[in-house]
Amino acid sequence: EDQVTQSPEALRLQEGESSSLNCSYTVSGLRGLFWYRQDPGKGPEFLFTLYSAGEEKEKERLKATLTKKESFLHITAPKPEDSATYLCAVQAAGNTPLVFGKGTRLSVIA
Amino acid sequence: GAVVSQHPSWVICKSGTSVKIECRSLDFQATTMFWYRQFPKQSLMLMATSNEGSKATYEQGVEKDKFLINHASLTLSTLTVTSAHPEDSSFYICSAQRTGGLGTQYFGPGTRLLVL
Repeated sequence: EDQVTQSPEALRLQEGESSSLNCSYTVSGLRGLFWYRQDPGKGPEFLFTLYSAGEEKEKERLKATLTKKESFLHITAPKPEDSATYLCAVQAAGNTPLVFGKGTRLSVIA
Repeated sequence: GAVVSQHPSWVICKSGTSVKIECRSLDFQATTMFWYRQFPKQSLMLMATSNEGSKATYEQGVEKDKFLINHASLTLSTLTVTSAHPEDSSFYICSAQRTGGLGTQYFGPGTRLLVL
């Protein structure tokens, strides 16, 4: 069974304090790994798709990396507006639904 | 690009009534759309997969006669909650997968349903 585990569940950072969020996965044939950001009361906002081990993608203060077993979302010098829940999801080979982790709630304190 | 809208964003209804929620992909075609339900401080729970022109595929435990899904075009899917009860109150979110795309789903802003 495909599974996604995110850690930590919650993370509190001071503004400017860089850190990483982890997403460990087991999937029968990875088609893609996805990162989303979700603010309270809103739908998830797409951040990145990673397809193969070794791939990296960046957007502003965020950088996503992928290995064969896990993905990291690195946040460099975070700001309070980066506070949100970050969701990781995987899709197995074929057109199957995404399997989501439970998310990491990030709070960045000024 | 890749904008998904939902309507309404908020709905309050009386117990026993039916509520329809629309999900539209505004700037791309989506052969496949998905419907999720989310409880406070929990992750997304997939309810069903909707394919244009065919019957939806429901996840285990989701009543297909209660949650009617129609995907009549490549840009529109609807979810109708029939005979709604207070326990159906939740945050419903749809997502759309671009036709011919590589699996990325784009989410709508969600619909908050409150059944009194």
